[in-house]
Amino acid sequence: KAGVTQTPRYLIKTRGQQVTLSCSPISGHRSVSWYQQTPGQGLQFLFEYFSETQRNKGNFPGRFSGRQFSNSRSEMNVSTLELGDSALYLCASSLGTGGASEAFFGQGTRLTVV
Amino acid sequence: AQSVTQLDSQVPVFEEAPVELRCNYSSSVSVYLFWYVQYPNQGLQLLLKYLSGSTLVKSINGFEAEFNKSQTSFHLRKPSVHISDTAEYFCAVSEWGGATNKLIFGTGTLLAVQP
Repeated sequence: KAGVTQTPRYLIKTRGQQVTLSCSPISGHRSVSWYQQTPGQGLQFLFEYFSETQRNKGNFPGRFSGRQFSNSRSEMNVSTLELGDSALYLCASSLGTGGASEAFFGQGTRLTVV
Repeated sequence: AQSVTQLDSQVPVFEEAPVELRCNYSSSVSVYLFWYVQYPNQGLQLLLKYLSGSTLVKSINGFEAEFNKSQTSFHLRKPSVHISDTAEYFCAVSEWGGATNKLIFGTGTLLAVQP
């Protein structure tokens, strides 16, 4: 069974640009969550989708958005990039919802904003 | 709201020595508890979890953690570490019974195993 796939693995963008990151969950998983990992702030929850609906959202500005498609693949978008958006963005998929469902993480997308 | 505290940012230890990585949490509701491990340039992998039942949970590679409700702790232990255990370890909680998979993570502990 293939794991969670995130593309691209590495990305370099300029301040002010926008970026789209992609996540393909494990087959059959309908829940996808996104996290931002930085040395200063650690792992922070961005948002969670289940069956194309956003179930939960973290404390991030509106420049961060996401969506989920009918095949459970998810994308997150960051507009008007700032230097502080440089981070490892991790996607996790789960079979169900409710907190007890194990989260399987992808390898992440390393975003560098210059 | 929940929060997770990992007081030790780095734990150096010699190979074959025992180790304990500390985790304390705060929550106004019941929670599930997890330990994740992250190797360099990788995502997170679930090491073990406490959902209910026996307070002592074990992983297949020799780690164990004990849920202590009165002390709101979920410390991770291994009696004898290997070089390959060098990684960053994250403690996390999620809300019990909630309709969300949202995880709240601690700041992580880097386990550095030396020969």
